[in-house]
Amino acid sequence: GAVVSQHPSWVICKSGTSVKIECRSLDFQATTMFWYRQFPKQSLMLMATSNEGSKATYEQGVEKDKFLINHASLTLSTLTVTSAHPEDSSFYICSSWTGRTEAFFGQGTRLTVV
Amino acid sequence: QKEVEQNSGPLSVPEGAIASLNCTYSDRVSQSFFWYRQYSGKSPELIMSIYSNGDKEDGRFTAQLNKASQYVSLLIRDSQPSDSATYLCAVAGGSGAGSYQLTFGKGTKLSVIP
Repeated sequence: GAVVSQHPSWVICKSGTSVKIECRSLDFQATTMFWYRQFPKQSLMLMATSNEGSKATYEQGVEKDKFLINHASLTLSTLTVTSAHPEDSSFYICSSWTGRTEAFFGQGTRLTVV
Repeated sequence: QKEVEQNSGPLSVPEGAIASLNCTYSDRVSQSFFWYRQYSGKSPELIMSIYSNGDKEDGRFTAQLNKASQYVSLLIRDSQPSDSATYLCAVAGGSGAGSYQLTFGKGTKLSVIP
């Protein structure tokens, strides 16, 4: 089946630094990639929707200057958390659809900001 | 605002019993309904998808959809300890890009007792 590969699976960074998370679609073209964030014991919350070759659409309350999304090709979308702070510590997950049938998720990235 | 409601649980069932998970959604134009299983620290894994009213069976899993009542459920027969996880109900639908956006419930934690 379709695979979305997400890296890194976990990262620890110092407060104030930036972290880049990559999601690659391995056997299909991901025109659209969705980025979610999940805090402990909470559900997945959509952060933004990225479309190849255009600007991402951010959900209300998500700072676009802090969470930079780049979707330069049909197989790669990246999320960069800039000037990370401890409150940004969370589980970040990307997702893409194949056709109209189902969404596939990356493995997730556990970000810890210390 | 789209909402998806689930009982957070925990739901405890003995091994071999039927586990019943329920979900209601607020947006009547929703078209696609999904059940995901999520183990702690892992990304969601698709269990079932359902698009039309009625029942859909796949092995030990049966999804039920009632669009008039805005209700979707998941039955797990012959529950196994390996089924212990959090089950997320997700809904997609509407028009344009929204048809691909998933709205998740907070999840129901299932524990299958050996």
